[in-house]
Amino acid sequence: GAGVSQSPSNKVTEKGKDVELRCDPISGHTALYWYRQSLGQGLEFLIYFQGNSAPDKSGLPSDRFSAERTGGSVSTLTIQRTQQEDSAVYLCASSLAGAGQETQYFGPGTRLLVL
Amino acid sequence: TQLLEQSPQFLSIQEGENLTVYCNSSSVFSSLQWYRQEPGEGPVLLVTVVTGGEVKKLKRLTFQFGDARKDSSLHITAAQPGDTGLYLCAGPPYGGSQGNLIFGKGTKLSVKP
Repeated sequence: GAGVSQSPSNKVTEKGKDVELRCDPISGHTALYWYRQSLGQGLEFLIYFQGNSAPDKSGLPSDRFSAERTGGSVSTLTIQRTQQEDSAVYLCASSLAGAGQETQYFGPGTRLLVL
Repeated sequence: TQLLEQSPQFLSIQEGENLTVYCNSSSVFSSLQWYRQEPGEGPVLLVTVVTGGEVKKLKRLTFQFGDARKDSSLHITAAQPGDTGLYLCAGPPYGGSQGNLIFGKGTKLSVKP
């Protein structure tokens, strides 16, 4: 079966522009997560969805970041007015039900470069 | 704030050598997971340890969870070039939402033939 897919795989944008990153989770997975991986910083949690609602948005670094999930499936992470410090790999993961010990299945990531 | 500290940050060894990487915290975790990430890909789960003192083996990889559930180690016997990658430990934050994980910064392993 298909794994988690993300698009685009790479994105280069200019400072100040908005970007949208897409995640298609594994079919049937109710939980979806966004993480950011910066050089030397490890994976940083951004937001968690259970179905279409986001019970935990605590990791979003500023109000320029937002995310939504529709139909319990696809999710979009939007970064407005991008800054150079937003450059990173944005990883999406999904799991069956969102329990703490569940396996999270990661997509390949979107590499964002803000010039 | 719960943190997971991994050491060493980088490790370069010859094929056939043994190695151990560590994941330490001052906080108790209900469970810890180990992932391996290869360039251009997302992390892939290797193992989850749940019980203090637990030891799990996956072929040449041995994972141990500390008795106090504050630390974990990964030991690789007779490393092979295919073991090359970034090894990450992760755990659910205490009292946090059910979903998200706290990750260490990883150990980047290079095994030379």
